[in-house]
Amino acid sequence: QQQVKQSPQSLIVQKGGIPIINCAYENTAFDYFPWYQQFPGKGPALLIAIRPDVSEKKEGRFTISFNKSAKQFSLHIMDSQPGDSATYFCAASAVDNQGGKLIFGQGTELSVKP
Amino acid sequence: DTGVSQDPRHKITKRGQNVTFRCDPISEHNRLYWYRQTLGQGPEFLTYFQNEAQLEKSRLLSDRFSAERPKGSFSTLEIQRTEQGDSAMYLCASSPRGALDEQYFGPGTRLTVT
Repeated sequence: QQQVKQSPQSLIVQKGGIPIINCAYENTAFDYFPWYQQFPGKGPALLIAIRPDVSEKKEGRFTISFNKSAKQFSLHIMDSQPGDSATYFCAASAVDNQGGKLIFGQGTELSVKP
Repeated sequence: DTGVSQDPRHKITKRGQNVTFRCDPISEHNRLYWYRQTLGQGPEFLTYFQNEAQLEKSRLLSDRFSAERPKGSFSTLEIQRTEQGDSAMYLCASSPRGALDEQYFGPGTRLTVT
């Protein structure tokens, strides 16, 4: 019930392509769904986040799509650049009744080829 | 730099030794979280504090682990009698009072137990 499943494990796209990373969850108490970007040797950086009351959120080139009935959400990166090459983690939390601890997916290693 | 800071960044220790890590959260963030990340995996929750109170500990946090946040500011994580399985990146995150679910991570402390 606490798991967040993420796919694919790795992804290679050409510059300008639109990589899509998918996550699924089971715990209906989750009410906050962030995406983090992590470069080797660094801590995760908060990229964008969504709550269940909206189905889509855009920030710059990053878009989250959220499907509450399917308990799924995804990250789209528009016009991807080589600098976007990193590991991306989805996560979920329930701040009010579970303390806000983040449950992370397994990560997706993205490579954007020039 | 006003982000979360962690010290040391790297620690190599021999099995059986004790180690202590420090985390300084973003100023006035009242929640502080510790996570552990092993290679190729997402971070896993260990424990969190609201001000100086430790409110939850994961089952991952064995008796050899202890965390403190004595004055509600910085926090320390101590591992006693380290084992090779403790080798991991230890991450600290903090969140502000007005947005408890937005967690901002530090750069982590890489622990290697030989």
